[in-house]
Amino acid sequence: KAGVTQTPRYLIKTRGQQVTLSCSPISGHRSVSWYQQTPGQGLQFLFEYFSETQRNKGNFPGRFSGRQFSNSRSEMNVSTLELGDSALYLCASSRNPSGENTGELFFGEGSRLTVL
Amino acid sequence: GESVGLHLPTLSVQEGDNSIINCAYSNSASDYFIWYKQESGKGPQFIIDIRSNMDKRQGQRVTVLLNKTVKHLSLQIAATQPGDSAVYFCAEKGGSSNTGKLIFGQGTTLQVKP
Repeated sequence: KAGVTQTPRYLIKTRGQQVTLSCSPISGHRSVSWYQQTPGQGLQFLFEYFSETQRNKGNFPGRFSGRQFSNSRSEMNVSTLELGDSALYLCASSRNPSGENTGELFFGEGSRLTVL
Repeated sequence: GESVGLHLPTLSVQEGDNSIINCAYSNSASDYFIWYKQESGKGPQFIIDIRSNMDKRQGQRVTVLLNKTVKHLSLQIAATQPGDSAVYFCAEKGGSSNTGKLIFGQGTTLQVKP
């Protein structure tokens, strides 16, 4: 059974650009969550999608957005990149929305974004 | 505000010894807690979870203890092995405003000395 797949694994952008990251959840998983991981702030929740609907959103500016498709694949977009957006962006999937019954999220290996 | 924190950023133990990693949380309404392990270059991996109606839960070589009175969570790893070297995160879920997301602590780096 394939795990959570994130692409690209590494990317470098410059300030002001925008970036789109992709996440393919484990087959059968309908919930996808996104987290930002930095050395200073640790793992911070960005948003969660279930059945193409955003269920929860973290405390990030509107430059951070996401969506989920009918096949449960998800993308997140960051516009007008800032230096502080450099981070590892992690996607996690679960069978049920993470607000129900279990917190067992299956994480991908992340997309490491560097903003110059 | 709410937060989940760990007491020590780094823990160094001898191979074969038991490890105890601690975590303090602030949201008394949290009803579900999880420990994750993150190895270098990988995403976090689920280790064990515990609900607020339990005090202790055991897995394979791992035990999680929950003390709701002092809002403290710990992960015990028996007979620590080199493969246990990683960053360990506690996370909480629950509370009126937090449904559907996990709040992670800062992480403790476990170093296992041969």
